Amino acid sequence: SQQGEEDPQALSIQEGENATMNCSYKTSINNLQWYRQNSGRGLVHLILIRSNEREKHSGRLRVTLDTSKKSSSLLITASRAADTASYFCATEGGGYQKVTFGTGTKLQVIP
Amino acid sequence: DAGVIQSPRHEVTEMGQEVTLRCKPISGHNSLFWYRQTMMRGLELLIYFNNNVPIDDSGMPEDRFSAKMPNASFSTLKIQPSEPRDSAVYFCASSLPGTGGWEQYFGPGTRLTVT
Repeated sequence: SQQGEEDPQALSIQEGENATMNCSYKTSINNLQWYRQNSGRGLVHLILIRSNEREKHSGRLRVTLDTSKKSSSLLITASRAADTASYFCATEGGGYQKVTFGTGTKLQVIP
Repeated sequence: DAGVIQSPRHEVTEMGQEVTLRCKPISGHNSLFWYRQTMMRGLELLIYFNNNVPIDDSGMPEDRFSAKMPNASFSTLKIQPSEPRDSAVYFCASSLPGTGGWEQYFGPGTRLTVT
């Protein structure tokens, strides 16, 4: 079963614009992770935020976590055509190492 | 580092045949996960191992599916007999403890088509 629900399901933006994706989940977590999947490839880990953190940065990525609302957001600044991919949130908790993936947001960055 | 290796990359088989998917995790990783991805159901965790021991197989759809990890460098996922609804991309991932959690490293996947 999927714990996370991403919003929007699909997003199309121009190169250089910022992209924001949201993730909502249902149960308590130890941490939340974001992954990217390029078409036809496996998922690639982007960033992990712990349940006691509110914000984290990595390069052009900014992740926020609001455990009171059970939600997270991923912001990609100054998007590039190479950012075109599907993005998944994944929650860890409720079982030893068990990570549950959301439904994903399909991002298209138009050059 | 070669990353997680999966074979075959593509498999086409007829209904009723046995299918075996293989995975070699990253050296030093002590956890291994099998996922299935379809358009309808998204990414589903089938089973995961820690130190070669199955920890949670609640995602295995039915008795036709079985998984083994005989040693730290090899795992198999077997479907017998296969059915058309098993058609999907199967991913293997391995992980190691990171700061605050377990980051997973995915293989390229095996695209299975059952006709």
